[in-house]
Amino acid sequence: SQQGEEDPQALSIQEGENATMNCSYKTSINNLQWYRQNSGRGLVHLILIRSNEREKHSGRLRVTLDTSKKSSSLLITASRAADTASYFCATGETDSWGKLQFGAGTQVVVTP
Amino acid sequence: GAVVSQHPSRVICKSGTSVKIECRSLDFQATTMFWYRQFPKQSLMLMATSNEGSKATYEQGVEKDKFLINHASLTLSTLTVTSAHPEDSSFYICSASGITDTQYFGPGTRLTVL
Repeated sequence: SQQGEEDPQALSIQEGENATMNCSYKTSINNLQWYRQNSGRGLVHLILIRSNEREKHSGRLRVTLDTSKKSSSLLITASRAADTASYFCATGETDSWGKLQFGAGTQVVVTP
Repeated sequence: GAVVSQHPSRVICKSGTSVKIECRSLDFQATTMFWYRQFPKQSLMLMATSNEGSKATYEQGVEKDKFLINHASLTLSTLTVTSAHPEDSSFYICSASGITDTQYFGPGTRLTVL
């Protein structure tokens, strides 16, 4: 079953702008991961944040995690046309032996 | 980074035939592999989890006799869709994890059943 709800479902921005998407979940987690998927392709791992972490950075990506609100956000700064893709959050639940539950995804379109 | 391959990338078959999809971890040993299914413009749905040398664990609602999973080595898992029907047409994606929590995904296999 799907765990995460992602918001917004779709996002259209111009190059140079920042893109923010949110993910909410329902259960207790060990970690939360963000992935990118280009149309018809596999998933690319972007960043993993553990349940005892609050913020993590990787290049132009910034991820926050608020376990009290059961939510996470992904910020892409200074977006580029190449960032056009679907972005998924996935939660690694406690005692789930590494299984991930994926959110519905946010489709991001960055126009030049 | 870790690389996971899938073969074939696309397959078209007739209704009633069986199709095998391979998932390989190329540069690391995958103790666990996962199989997902994705319909157009939807998210990934976990089908099953397979650990090397043991039986796969299927998610609720996934028919284990229809979707046969074998994880014979630390670098190879296969998914066989038996007696495929048009409703089985989908994008099938595998992932592999080793000693960390990160799952590395294959490029996916597009199955079309006529």
